[in-house]
Parts: sequence; structure tokens; C-alpha cells
Amino acid sequence: EVQLVESGGGLVKPGGSLRLSCAASGFTFSSYSMNWVRQAPGKGLEWVSSISSSSSYIYYADSVKGRFTISRDNAKNSLYLQMNSLRAEDTAVYYCARRINYDFWSGIGYWGQGTLVTVSS
Amino acid sequence: QSALTQPASVSGSPGQSITISCTGTSSDVGGYNYVSWYQQHPGKAPKLMIYEVSNRPSGVPDRFSGSKSGNTASLTISGLQAEDEADYYCSSYTSSSTLEVFGTGTKVTVL
Repeated sequence: EVQLVESGGGLVKPGGSLRLSCAASGFTFSSYSMNWVRQAPGKGLEWVSSISSSSSYIYYADSVKGRFTISRDNAKNSLYLQMNSLRAEDTAVYYCARRINYDFWSGIGYWGQGTLVTVSS
Repeated sequence: QSALTQPASVSGSPGQSITISCTGTSSDVGGYNYVSWYQQHPGKAPKLMIYEVSNRPSGVPDRFSGSKSGNTASLTISGLQAEDEADYYCSSYTSSSTLEVFGTGTKVTVL
């Protein structure tokens, strides 16, 4: 069974930093691209970032480009999101997510439970 | 890149069919077969219902179907059931600098 478990969320001041982690299990982590998707309270879903299986290809939404860094450690079956220069508008539940198949842009078939990031003074 | 446009709400009675539209442009929905649909119940993570326009993941009832015409994708729920009451989001790959875009979301109410 595919399992994705996020951690690292919390309350941070504007301008601060936070690092999210996602522990993956139940599949061959090193074979799949991985993603972060967020959802602000009461709002819709927003794609944040994607990383290929070998970290060769990395993509970001315009809203986080230059501030967030996605990375992975295939030896540890872990995905990360380093978030710097945080803004109030980054407040959201952040989901770790895997596509349903090997296609980089196919549907997201597996989601973690999410971790809440709150940016406030 | 603006969000894909969905109706804010759609409702139907049990057993009826409803259709949710997802309108984009030729740079996203109309240009690629990477349209997905998600169901989200309150406080829960989204669940994939349709991927690559019309494919159903294992375990999703065949009451759910997807299609696309031009720049508009559609999700049809046939034989509406009480448990289908939820928020639904579409998504698409896009050739813009933000490479994936979600829809504005539709609240489905079962009367």
C-alpha cells in the first residue's frame, strides 16, 4: 500500500523558513517523480513543485519560484520542500503527492494527509 | 496562469446525472490530454477520479466518466449518490511557466 506521510509544518513568521519532509513507503520511490500541492484554508488546490525520479528535472509554480526548493533522497525514500522568504499567502495545507503512473503530468493518484503551514506574525 | 474555470456549484437528486465543466485554453485543456478530476470531502485529501481525460483509476465507480471537447473538459456523474456530495477539481498540464493548473472547484450537492 502506498503511503505518504508529511511532517515539518507549523507556525512561522513572515520572512522565515521551514522545511517539509515526506516519508514514502509501499512503492519503489526511486522510480517515480514526486510533487507538492497546497491548499490555502477554504480555497482550491494549487500545484507547487515537481521533481523527476533522479532529480534531473525540477519545476516550480511561478508563485514560489526562487523561494522554494524541492529535493529528494532516494536512499531514504524521502521528499523535501525547503521554503524560504515565507509570506502570509503561503499559508496552506501542503500535500506530498505521487502520480498514478510513471507519466510526469498524469493524474495525482496518491496523496499524503497534508501538513499545515501557517505564516503569521 | 489563471485557474481553469468551473461552475461554483452543481446539484442533483439521487439517481440523476450531473455534468461539471472545466474550461481552459488551447495552452492547457485544449492542447494536451493531461486533464484530471479530483473529489475532495471536507477535511480530507483529494481523491483522483479521472486521469488523462477519460481514464478511471482502479476502484473508482464507472458512474464517473470524463471527456473533452476543444478547450472544455467535463466530468459526468451518473446515478448520483449521497456520498458523491463533495468538492470537485479539474487540473491540466499547461504550456505556461506554471506547468500545472487546477480548476476553481465545484461544490456538488445531492438534494
